[in-house]
Amino acid sequence: EVQLVESGGGLIQPGGSLRLSCAASGFTVSSNYMSWVRQAPGKGLEWVSVIYSGGSTYYADSVKGRFTISRDNSKNTLYLQMNSLRAEDTAVYYCARDSRGDPQRRGAFDIWGQGTMVTVSS
Amino acid sequence: DIQMTQSPSSVSASVGDRVTITCQASQGISSWLAWYQQKPGKAPKLLIYAASSLQSGVPSRFSGSGSGTDFTLTISSLQPEDFATYYCQQANSFPITFGQGTRLEIK
Repeated sequence: EVQLVESGGGLIQPGGSLRLSCAASGFTVSSNYMSWVRQAPGKGLEWVSVIYSGGSTYYADSVKGRFTISRDNSKNTLYLQMNSLRAEDTAVYYCARDSRGDPQRRGAFDIWGQGTMVTVSS
Repeated sequence: DIQMTQSPSSVSASVGDRVTITCQASQGISSWLAWYQQKPGKAPKLLIYAASSLQSGVPSRFSGSGSGTDFTLTISSLQPEDFATYYCQQANSFPITFGQGTRLEIK
């Protein structure tokens, strides 16, 4: 079965760090583009970051310099290292398979994890 | 950044109704547009990719159209399970951006 399972969320103080994980099954993370998308409580969806199959990475301006996307090919797992966390980073974080590598699918996110909640508060 | 504007922000409709949601991009995005459905407490679900292609497993009452800057999502005959929030998303250029969402409620 093709699925993504996030973990690592929790309550963290402002300025702290957290690493989210996204374990994939049924497909290979390193052969796909993978993104993180977040959703603040009661708000809409916000794209955070993407890692290409070739290793290139891109970030939203709101997290650039603070967050780092990476993957462990041996574990078939995607990560998001979040540093210098702020209250406005409070959200459910989803990992998603980004179909940008398939020209016919035009960058749609076709597989999503269930999400992990990150709360930044003192 | 490309701004995605959905309308309406919310709509009330009845089972069996035809509903159309629009999404306008602030600049041309060709067909780099997707539509998602999200229910409370759940992850978004892909409905339409490349503006008009139906994702596998999605009922045929969902359809998408448009190219360039103007796009629509149509639900031909609402079913009880369709009441949810719908988002459009552009992937033409970074940063990837979503519309603000359209909440579809039962009348």
